[in-house]
Amino acid sequence: GAGVSQSPSNKVTEKGKDVELRCDPISGHTALYWYRQSLGQGLEFLIYFQGNSAPDKSGLPSDRFSAERTGGSVSTLTIQRTQQEDSAVYLCASRPGQVYGYTFGSGTRLTVV
Amino acid sequence: QKEVEQDPGPLSVPEGAIVSLNCTYSNSAFQYFMWYRQYSRKGPELLMYTYSSGNKEDGRFTAQVDKSSKYISLFIRDSQPSDSATYLCAMSASEKLTFGTGTRLTIIP
Repeated sequence: GAGVSQSPSNKVTEKGKDVELRCDPISGHTALYWYRQSLGQGLEFLIYFQGNSAPDKSGLPSDRFSAERTGGSVSTLTIQRTQQEDSAVYLCASRPGQVYGYTFGSGTRLTVV
Repeated sequence: QKEVEQDPGPLSVPEGAIVSLNCTYSNSAFQYFMWYRQYSRKGPELLMYTYSSGNKEDGRFTAQVDKSSKYISLFIRDSQPSDSATYLCAMSASEKLTFGTGTRLTIIP
């Protein structure tokens, strides 16, 4: 596709359940990012993948959060044992070479009840 | 203290007015500066970027960076109702972007 695709667009889950969020980046973009956007908090960096290099996981808030990127393309963000404070919009972005070339998806709105 | 500070607004101005949006930052290593626009329930989209002090103009939009004061601005001339959105500043020293919290802007017809 022409843009970054994220699914599902909305997810409501019960506290304690695991969730998987999917990101399909723009073809050929080597870098992929996950950010979290909470109300009034701006975008918070979670994790960064670049080619075959080890991912930068420095933004993951706890060990309940993990992400993988298969074949240098699709990425999945997994949140285990979800908590109410995990409720937020999870945004994925990809870029080619330049830092300023981020393209964001529309996000997954996660609500933990 | 956050690395990037941005007034969250909300900011409401009449159509045709000049809008000024601002961010300050504390990390002197930041060298790339960007402005994103985000409509409701959409992802941010890149409006402008710059990597040096000074002004950069693109149509009705002007981005201004003052590295000595650690201050960046976005000016919107002849504002339109379609400019109503949340505007986020972002900056980078390497591969990661650090964002401001965003300013919600409403242009009143």
